[in-house]
Amino acid sequence: DGGITQSPKYLFRKEGQNVTLSCEQNLNHDAMYWYRQDPGQGLRLIYYSQIVNDFQKGDIAEGYSVSREKKESFPLTVTSAQKNPTAFYLCASSIGDRGPSGYTFGSGTRLTVV
Amino acid sequence: AQTVTQSQPEMSVQEAETVTLSCTYDTSENNYYLFWYKQPPSRQMILVIRQEAYKQQNATENRFSVNFQKAAKSFSLKISDSQLGDTAMYFCAFLNAGNMLTFGGGTRLMVKP
Repeated sequence: DGGITQSPKYLFRKEGQNVTLSCEQNLNHDAMYWYRQDPGQGLRLIYYSQIVNDFQKGDIAEGYSVSREKKESFPLTVTSAQKNPTAFYLCASSIGDRGPSGYTFGSGTRLTVV
Repeated sequence: AQTVTQSQPEMSVQEAETVTLSCTYDTSENNYYLFWYKQPPSRQMILVIRQEAYKQQNATENRFSVNFQKAAKSFSLKISDSQLGDTAMYFCAFLNAGNMLTFGGGTRLMVKP
């Protein structure tokens, strides 16, 4: 079955460490997105990519980095510059031409700073 | 830029009753899509229903229906015959011409037995 796989489900980071969250899709979608969700709040866009080898900053990109070397993969690195990284991170993809299906979401990664 | 507002942070409803969740948005675009997503305790985002702005007819999916008022920029979700499994966060979302999805702050719905 096609879908989006995020790993790991839970991730713990020590102060000063960089960590990378994985997002893989086999839906042949062109566009991929990363969102951050804080407790009881909505989703805020971190980065997005409409095509391979290209990506754009979202509303809260500071302290994060991404790459899009393959269509299927869009990993997110949370750097030590992100001062408050504890949150739930959701990856999504779409066909990229405003199709009526909207976005498809992964199951998320819960990141905690220890 | 678009904004999406959900004015009800929390709501509750008795099992088998009907509940309506509100959503308003602000945009200068004329052709766009609107969505309601459900996020249960598992945190998985699940598409509930979608509406195309150029369609006058309100979308319906089984027990879920919307009241889309384009002039008022309103997009409410009605859940009929509420079930315990409907307990979740519900997010209203706007898809713009650039294929960017903007979310409201969410409404936490509790269905009581």
